[in-house]
Amino acid sequence: ETGVTQSPTHLIKTRGQQVTLRCSSQSGHNTVSWYQQALGQGPQFIFQYYREEENGRGNFPPRFSGLQFPNYSSELNVNALELDDSALYLCASSPGLTGELFFGEGSRLTVL
Amino acid sequence: QKEVEQDPGPLSVPEGAIVSLNCTYSNSAFQYFMWYRQYSRKGPELLMYTYSSGNKEDGRFTAQVDKSSKYISLFIRDSQPSDSATYLCAMSAIETSGSRLTFGEGTQLTVNP
Repeated sequence: ETGVTQSPTHLIKTRGQQVTLRCSSQSGHNTVSWYQQALGQGPQFIFQYYREEENGRGNFPPRFSGLQFPNYSSELNVNALELDDSALYLCASSPGLTGELFFGEGSRLTVL
Repeated sequence: QKEVEQDPGPLSVPEGAIVSLNCTYSNSAFQYFMWYRQYSRKGPELLMYTYSSGNKEDGRFTAQVDKSSKYISLFIRDSQPSDSATYLCAMSAIETSGSRLTFGEGTQLTVNP
């Protein structure tokens, strides 16, 4: 059974660019959540997808958007990148709408 | 004021010590309480998951929840150097989407051999 996998692991962008991060959920999990973790901080909830529909969103602007595909994998898109978007982006999956989340290793984004 | 407060440390203890990690929270709607361990440059790993008040034990780890005081704790017995990591408390409210967790900022723990 494979766990949650994310790609890319590291990337560098410049301010104003757009980025797409990808996540494959753990086998059997139909719910995917995305979190942003700034250096020295706890993760902050961005949004959750359940059966391809957005099902809850944190305090993030609309330039943060996402998708979930029929195989339950997911993408996080960020437009018009800002310096403060530099962070570790974590994807987590769960077998349903429960609190037991299983996290991937994250994608570390640096915005210059 | 943050919904979840956690002392960031750093906390340094000798091998074999009992470690106590704590979080306080302000949202009385929180019902599910978790502790995650995060090694440097890795994703968080679920350690303990509890619902409502009470204690839960798993090996060297014990989680306690006191909803009346809005206070949760994680105890690590016989701490090992491999326990050196950042420990994150997290919680969610029953009426929100279940995987919408609110995290503390994490406590950095170092266990010295």
